[in-house]
Amino acid sequence: DGGITQSPKYLFRKEGQNVTLSCEQNLNHDAMYWYRQDPGQGLRLIYYSQIVNDFQKGDIAEGYSVSREKKESFPLTVTSAQKNPTAFYLCASSRTGPQNTGELFFGEGSRLTVL
Amino acid sequence: AQSVAQPEDQVNVAEGNPLTVKCTYSVSGNPYLFWYVQYPNRGLQFLLKYITGDNLVKGSYGFEAEFNKSQTSFHLKKPSALVSDSALYFCAVRANTGNQFYFGTGTSLTVIP
Repeated sequence: DGGITQSPKYLFRKEGQNVTLSCEQNLNHDAMYWYRQDPGQGLRLIYYSQIVNDFQKGDIAEGYSVSREKKESFPLTVTSAQKNPTAFYLCASSRTGPQNTGELFFGEGSRLTVL
Repeated sequence: AQSVAQPEDQVNVAEGNPLTVKCTYSVSGNPYLFWYVQYPNRGLQFLLKYITGDNLVKGSYGFEAEFNKSQTSFHLKKPSALVSDSALYFCAVRANTGNQFYFGTGTSLTVIP
């Protein structure tokens, strides 16, 4: 079945460490997204990519980095510069193009806790 | 600026009663509108979408939503609530140009047995 796989599901990190969250999709979607979810704040866009080797900052990109070397993969690195990294992180993908009326497809999320 | 508002953080309804979760939006041009559901520690699941055509859209699990252009609303409804409908619901909007989605802050629905 096609879908989006995020790993790990749960991750613990010490302050000052970088961590990388994996996101892989086999839906053949061009666009991929990373969102951060905090209680009561909905989903906030961190980064998105509409094509391989290109990505744009979202609303809260500071302290995060991404790469898009392959269409299927969009890993997110949470750096030590991110002041409050404890959150639930969601990866999503969608079709693109002028005829696109499609929705976002989400992975199951990764919960990062900084100790 | 594009935005989505879900005015109620929490909605409680008795099992078997109709439910409504409200959503209003502000977006330039003709919007594409979506509803998602999220269970604890899970990703968001797509429920339904409005693109064009009939203002009443039917989706998964018996949910439906009504698009009202004059009120810029897209309320989620279900005629008879189930305990298993208890979850967090998100409204989202995308302009018909571009690929950015905008989400509301979510409404926690509790269906009381």
